[in-house]
Amino acid sequence: DSGVTQTPKHLITATGQRVTLRCSPRSGDLSVYWYQQSLDQGLQFLIQYYNGEERAKGNILERFSAQQFPDLHSELNLSSLELGDSALYFCASSPNGGGTAYNEQFFGPGTRLTVL
Amino acid sequence: DAKTTQPTSMDCAEGRAANLPCNHSTISGNEYVYWYRQIHSQGPQYIIHGLKNNETNEMASLIITEDRKSSTLILPHATLRDTAVYYCIVSRWGSSNTGKLIFGQGTTLQVKP
Repeated sequence: DSGVTQTPKHLITATGQRVTLRCSPRSGDLSVYWYQQSLDQGLQFLIQYYNGEERAKGNILERFSAQQFPDLHSELNLSSLELGDSALYFCASSPNGGGTAYNEQFFGPGTRLTVL
Repeated sequence: DAKTTQPTSMDCAEGRAANLPCNHSTISGNEYVYWYRQIHSQGPQYIIHGLKNNETNEMASLIITEDRKSSTLILPHATLRDTAVYYCIVSRWGSSNTGKLIFGQGTTLQVKP
């Protein structure tokens, strides 16, 4: 158990819909990262938040957005869903946001999204 | 961040050492080598990291060549539970580093009885 929790575990929805994925980082970790894993693209970095502020952006679609709340949990919002958005979505946390320190990430169990 | 090259797949007999190579010939002086693994769609799990010295922890050893252009992850006594995809990742540290991980395709290690 990494200490990172993600809800829900599974989500089935239809094209065009909007969903919200939730992540609670390990206690004390300030950074939250979101990754998408699909069969054809592998594990891809989407976005990072550090202490409530966006820190880095990867290949995140404009239909996707995220935020980190004052209690440090994070939500990933996916809208206008398409079949190709079906994937595993992982959240990870780390104590800091990179900088000068080495930065191990702890991954949650993931949310499996199926878009029909 | 430097690009890494890993074999697509490897087999290892249970109880034997598994040696997983990684090439990172364009690595810079301020880049760490990280290894993570992912067991059957679970969240990736950190294994070990290093900068230029060899490292060992309870899970594995990391051998980095003197020129830092390649490394080898060693699982000393592989078990069936070590069957997973192993990712070698090179990532900068320093003020410009955000800590994000860029995953490649990894090596699928199959440990056989």
